[in-house]
Amino acid sequence: VQLVESGGVVVQPGGSLRLSCAASGFTFDDFDMHWIRQAPGKGLEWVSLINWNGDKIHYAASVQGRFTISRDNSKNSLYLQMNSLRTEDSALYFCAASVNFDYWGQGTLVTVSS
Amino acid sequence: QSVLTQPPSASGTPGQRVTISCSGSSSNIGSNTVNWYHQLPGTAPKLLIYSHNKRPSGVPDRFSGSTSGNSASLAISGLQSEDEADYYCATWDDSRNGWVFGGGTKLTVL
Repeated sequence: VQLVESGGVVVQPGGSLRLSCAASGFTFDDFDMHWIRQAPGKGLEWVSLINWNGDKIHYAASVQGRFTISRDNSKNSLYLQMNSLRTEDSALYFCAASVNFDYWGQGTLVTVSS
Repeated sequence: QSVLTQPPSASGTPGQRVTISCSGSSSNIGSNTVNWYHQLPGTAPKLLIYSHNKRPSGVPDRFSGSTSGNSASLAISGLQSEDEADYYCATWDDSRNGWVFGGGTKLTVL
């Protein structure tokens, strides 16, 4: 099982960013997928969940209305569209697979700063 | 402020048994299963315990989980130096319609 996140960069407050997570080594469309973030030196914060076919989606209150999770099962890929970014969104963003976050990627770093 | 409350730190000597607590409410721990994760410095978290007390393949039976009411605990017996890590509890919260984590406990092996 391998999950590889990408797309993290430095972006100004109010900007937008799209993160990607490429999955391999398992049947991608069998699994719920999640985004979980960790601010530098801080704990874990769950961000969003999408079920196997995309008809069940949930967001943390802190990102509701600004972030959009999606997936493309034909490409074994998970995405997170991040709009109206704030400094407090700065974090290492992990994608995780399965209902219990059984598998994790290594993360991609998002820095929101002017 | 995390929804689930964990002690910020815990410690023990090699061979000892340590426990880490995780306190929540009726909308999360009280009505859903609890998972535990550990995270070594600079690495991604790994699933340690799921559904209160089940271990994924490869996790030694020195690690065990339990739940009572709105609280959960992780116990580590036969403490080893490689157990030094950050530990997090997590569960679904029915009120928030989302997952919640504890703030994490840094375990030091003295």
